[in-house]
Amino acid sequence: GAVVSQHPSRVICKSGTSVKIECRSLDFQATTMFWYRQFPKQSLMLMATSNEGSKATYEQGVEKDKFLINHASLTLSTLTVTSAHPEDSSFYICSAPPGRYNSPLHFGNGTRLTVT
Amino acid sequence: AQKITQTQPGMFVQEKEAVTLDCTYDTSDQSYGLFWYKQPSSGEMIFLIYQGSYDEQNATEGRYSLNFQKARKSANLVISASQLGDSAMYFCAMRAWNGNKLVFGAGTILRVKS
Repeated sequence: GAVVSQHPSRVICKSGTSVKIECRSLDFQATTMFWYRQFPKQSLMLMATSNEGSKATYEQGVEKDKFLINHASLTLSTLTVTSAHPEDSSFYICSAPPGRYNSPLHFGNGTRLTVT
Repeated sequence: AQKITQTQPGMFVQEKEAVTLDCTYDTSDQSYGLFWYKQPSSGEMIFLIYQGSYDEQNATEGRYSLNFQKARKSANLVISASQLGDSAMYFCAMRAWNGNKLVFGAGTILRVKS
């Protein structure tokens, strides 16, 4: 089946630094990628939708300058958390839409970000 | 706007017994899809089962079945013969026919007791 590879799986960074998270579609082309954020024992909240060749669409309340999303190619989407602070510590997970409506989204395995 | 409601923050079930995880939804769309995902402590999202709004039969996938009651807008997940490995967070989600976004419920943490 279709695979989305997400890296890194875990990252610890110091406050004020930037962290880049990559999502690659390994065996299919993804013109769209969804980025979710999840706090412990809570639901997945959609942050933004990246679109290959155009600007990302951010959900209400998500800071565009804090969470930079780039969809550089049909197989790569990146999320950069800029000037990270401890409150940005969270689980970030990407997903790509399937080819068919009744098929499940393809999820990456997620990135656990800890900002110290 | 679409909304998914999962009213059970946590559930316990004895190993080998069946358990039902509740999910109700709200949408003005006539065509939509309902999904259940399992998320173990590792964080990966594991797809379990899908039900289309026009599907007349309740979906089944191995030990998972979906009790779909369209008039009541409910899509409960039934896990039969629970196993210790079923302990995880379970999410109900919806997608409109004309979109790719998934809207998730709050989730239910299931713990299987031996």
